[in-house]
Amino acid sequence: NAGVTQTPKFRILKIGQSMTLQCTQDMNHNYMYWYRQDPGMGLKLIYYSVGAGITDKGEVPNGYNVSRSTTEDFPLRLELAAPSQTSVYFCASSGGTAYGYTFGSGTRLTVV
Amino acid sequence: DAKTTQPNSMESNEEEPVHLPCNHSTISGTDYIHWYRQLPSQGPEYVIHGLTSNVNNRMASLAIAEDRKSSTLILHRATLRDAAVYYCILRDLGKLIFGQGTELSVKP
Repeated sequence: NAGVTQTPKFRILKIGQSMTLQCTQDMNHNYMYWYRQDPGMGLKLIYYSVGAGITDKGEVPNGYNVSRSTTEDFPLRLELAAPSQTSVYFCASSGGTAYGYTFGSGTRLTVV
Repeated sequence: DAKTTQPNSMESNEEEPVHLPCNHSTISGTDYIHWYRQLPSQGPEYVIHGLTSNVNNRMASLAIAEDRKSSTLILHRATLRDAAVYYCILRDLGKLIFGQGTELSVKP
């Protein structure tokens, strides 16, 4: 059982470049989430989805976009990368409001 | 979003019980109380969650006050591997909004 899989694990981007962080879960969870964690800080919610075709903004959505075309996948798109987006990004999924979250192992992104 | 308040840090001795407190005085009737922990350089890990009644699992116990305005995560015998940041979070409308958590250190 793979759980939540994030790729890549590490990435260095130049300012202004774009990239997509991939997140896949094999637990048939409807709820999926993207968080970022800056050094020494707690996690901030970027975007979340309660099912295929439905997405909503979290606490810090600016500079990011998401889509949810399937139950399994929830990619996070960074357009025009900025140094302020240097962070560790975590994807998570959940089976519903009465259930816990499962987190991926994270993507460490550096923008230079 | 309802907020939680936790001590910034706590210390424990190995093999002793640890009680991690959390205050959530603005909790609503439908908010689940979740606890996660994050070991150094890892993603958050689910520990336990509950709504009204106390809960037990293989990792920990969750004691919820009768008025639900506070809760306590209980690690029955702390090990060095339990050193982590512990987050108490209220799940609101499907979202988990993290606070700063409690950094637990465990002394041999």
